[in-house]
Amino acid sequence: DTGVSQNPRHKITKRGQNVTFRCDPISEHNRLYWYRQTLGQGPEFLTYFQNEAQLEKSRLLSDRFSAERPKGSFSTLEIQRTEQGDSAMYLCASSLFDSYNEQFFGPGTRLTVL
Amino acid sequence: AQKVTQAQTEISVVEKEDVTLDCVYETRDTTYYLFWYKQPPSGELVFLIRRNSFDEQNEISGRYSWNFQKSTSSFNFTITASQVVDSAVYFCALSESYSGGSNYKLTFGKGTLLTVNP
Repeated sequence: DTGVSQNPRHKITKRGQNVTFRCDPISEHNRLYWYRQTLGQGPEFLTYFQNEAQLEKSRLLSDRFSAERPKGSFSTLEIQRTEQGDSAMYLCASSLFDSYNEQFFGPGTRLTVL
Repeated sequence: AQKVTQAQTEISVVEKEDVTLDCVYETRDTTYYLFWYKQPPSGELVFLIRRNSFDEQNEISGRYSWNFQKSTSSFNFTITASQVVDSAVYFCALSESYSGGSNYKLTFGKGTLLTVNP
């Protein structure tokens, strides 16, 4: 499978716990994006990387959220001290650095905070 | 700030009917890209089309066609002879260029749930 993969696909956690999600982009893609999608809404941009550099973070990304992309390959998104409002689908996408920016999305990680 | 509006929350049609999904966008940029994505019940977003702001030609791909009109800031999507497999949520999205000269983040509309009944 050469598409974008995300793990885990589902995560149930209790409020206050920390969670970490992983995204493996398409191998030759140097851009990687994180989005969050809540029920009935479109995906909302969280952050993006070009290679290993995190170039922008949305205001949606509070201090409890941190993302990394060591060595410009896979990326992790960590949420500390989870809250019920963090319950959502977390989507990862990747693209090549070009002017067309066709982003390929992974299947997402569905987070439920109890 | 950029914004995408999909006024139709849900549409229900009978198989073989034609259906048009509306998309209106707002941007201050002169260079931008518009996209349509499909999200079937499985949840994975599937890319359908990309259009840049300098190309207003309409496009047809099989049963799908897109009508881009800068004058009304609209990028509408039509499915001809709809099929049950077309049932999904469809998202319109906008990407602006930034100072580096390349587009990056997508701003999505809220999506339109299309149900095609047999």
